[in-house]
Amino acid sequence: EAAVTQSPRNKVTVTGGNVTLSCRQTNSHNYMYWYRQDTGHGLRLIHYSYGAGNLQIGDVPDGYKATRTTQEDFFLLLELASPSQTSLYFCASSEWDRGRDERLFFGHGTKLSVL
Amino acid sequence: GQQVQQSPTSLVLQEGENAELQCNFSTSLNSMQWFYQRPGGSLVSVFYNPSGTKQSGRLTSTTVIKERRSSLHISSSQITDSGTYLCAMEGMGYKLTFGTGTSLLVDP
Repeated sequence: EAAVTQSPRNKVTVTGGNVTLSCRQTNSHNYMYWYRQDTGHGLRLIHYSYGAGNLQIGDVPDGYKATRTTQEDFFLLLELASPSQTSLYFCASSEWDRGRDERLFFGHGTKLSVL
Repeated sequence: GQQVQQSPTSLVLQEGENAELQCNFSTSLNSMQWFYQRPGGSLVSVFYNPSGTKQSGRLTSTTVIKERRSSLHISSSQITDSGTYLCAMEGMGYKLTFGTGTSLLVDP
């Protein structure tokens, strides 16, 4: 079973602070994703990547940077955190291969509070 | 942009009853998936179902690509089925767009 590990599990910061959320997947999936989940909005895609050094913009990218340093590691950066970024953040990975298993595998999430 | 509409928003069942969850897509899609989420928990893929009907135990998923819809049928519901069920579509670009989910509560 695919494994996606996020850290930290919980994070509290103040407005204007810097935050880095980490994600590692151990199944050599090519695609990795960062989503945020908020009541009433469901999951919304922030950024995603199809390999080391690649970055694709998602649907709600404002205020977020991301970097894919290796096949396994994908980071989400909030350089000037705002209260509107208080949310539950999920990392996910997938191996897109038409006609085969294209399931998305999620980490356990990071609960971020910006005070 | 791509939109995913789920219905109902919430559902309460007595244990043993059946449930039918619906998902409708505003654009054409390449594939879709159903996920299960416990409150405050992670998401677990329930079905990867680009088309047709798939069954896994008491769960059955049916996707009709031409009609841009998918359904998830839960038979003989159990208390442990309680949680949120989300559907998601892949339109283009190898990324999923999610619905806002159906919250299911199964009472004893």
